[in-house]
Amino acid sequence: KNQVEQSPQSLIILEGKNCTLQCNYTVSPFSNLRWYKQDTGRGPVSLTIMTFSENTKSNGRYTATLDADTKQSSLHITASQLSDSASYICVVSAGTNAGKSTFGDGTTLTVKP
Amino acid sequence: DGGITQSPKYLFRKEGQNVTLSCEQNLNHDAMYWYRQDPGQGLRLIYYSQIVNDFQKGDIAEGYSVSREKKESFPLTVTSAQKNPTAFYLCASSVLGTASTDTQYFGPGTRLTVL
Repeated sequence: KNQVEQSPQSLIILEGKNCTLQCNYTVSPFSNLRWYKQDTGRGPVSLTIMTFSENTKSNGRYTATLDADTKQSSLHITASQLSDSASYICVVSAGTNAGKSTFGDGTTLTVKP
Repeated sequence: DGGITQSPKYLFRKEGQNVTLSCEQNLNHDAMYWYRQDPGQGLRLIYYSQIVNDFQKGDIAEGYSVSREKKESFPLTVTSAQKNPTAFYLCASSVLGTASTDTQYFGPGTRLTVL
């Protein structure tokens, strides 16, 4: 069964600090891994997308890494801001079928002043 | 103004009533999806469609129905057979391309509450 596990479930940090969110997956055959940011009560917004051959992808203060051998990914947030408070969702797609995406439960990040 | 729109933002329904959630996109995407999100849980796929007049069941299709008569539109009907319909519903669309472009774009969501 395809699974995506994210850790920690929740995280509180002070404004200006860095943090790293983790994503472990057991999805086969691997197509891509995506990170989304979801503000409370809104739809997810794409941050990064990585294929098998990519091991890092940046989007401003967000940097995602992918280790396809260990099936792990991380999302590093640099110099956090209050607006970074949100849920961060890891999604892994299998094969080329449009419906074959497995979503993690997300990590809820709270940035405090 | 391009993107995906969902309406309404909030919807209240009495038990036993069917209700239809709207989803429209002007991104010219081939694929469209409906997900359900419950507190503390990941998104779960209800239905998806890769082409007009065709759609497939997702993991939790029971009690839901969809149609895809136009490329831009993918309405979801929550029927009275859905036992626990109160949730946040998200519509998404994507290009059916290569793995590097296969990302989903989400609408703002509809929060359905059954009274």
